Amino acid sequence: AQTVTQSQPEMSVQEAETVTLSCTYDTSESDYYLFWYKQPPSRQMILVIRQEAYKQQNATENRFSVNFQKAAKSFSLKISDSQLGDAAMYFCAYGGATNKLIFGTGTLLAVQP
Amino acid sequence: EAGVAQSPRYKIIEKRQSVAFWCNPISGHATLYWYQQILGQGPKLLIQFQNNGVVDDSQLPKDRFSAERLKGVDSTLKIQPAKLEDSAVYLCASSLTWTSGLAYEQYFGPGTRLTVT
Repeated sequence: AQTVTQSQPEMSVQEAETVTLSCTYDTSESDYYLFWYKQPPSRQMILVIRQEAYKQQNATENRFSVNFQKAAKSFSLKISDSQLGDAAMYFCAYGGATNKLIFGTGTLLAVQP
Repeated sequence: EAGVAQSPRYKIIEKRQSVAFWCNPISGHATLYWYQQILGQGPKLLIQFQNNGVVDDSQLPKDRFSAERLKGVDSTLKIQPAKLEDSAVYLCASSLTWTSGLAYEQYFGPGTRLTVT
């Protein structure tokens, strides 16, 4: 069975600085997707970025980028120029052949002004 | 475009009572998901519908949980009778379809926070 591990329960970053959230996963599948979701206090899950496993190029969405290391089964999220609105819980998720998402336990990000 | 709607936002019940949650997905989305998110954990899929048929309910505690999606649009998730360990946020999500790739563009509702006392 696939698993997703987020080893950082909490992280803190200064406004305008850069922070990296870690995620590792375990799978025997060769074709899959990886995602980062943001969940603010309002509880609404928002898709931040997605990565297809067959693509070598790391995905980028404005200030958000990933470092996808397929061999190491690592999928970290980098947030550049952090803003107060980035404060939230961030979940890493895996989607494979079963067509359902498997989430990690989340990292709570605090942004200090 | 209207998002995924859920109601109620909050519900407090006593153990052994019953409760129902409602979800209205984004118009045109064929696939609907119910997740349970216990405090401090990531969401866990309870059930997945494709139109009005069940695709996956392997993690649904069927002795007390039930869900339906009549007419392939709105969905209701019911718990009867509730236990203390059912206290969680129940998230509904929808996607255009569930073929590989498109299944993962899931849009989530605001969730229902259930407290069982």
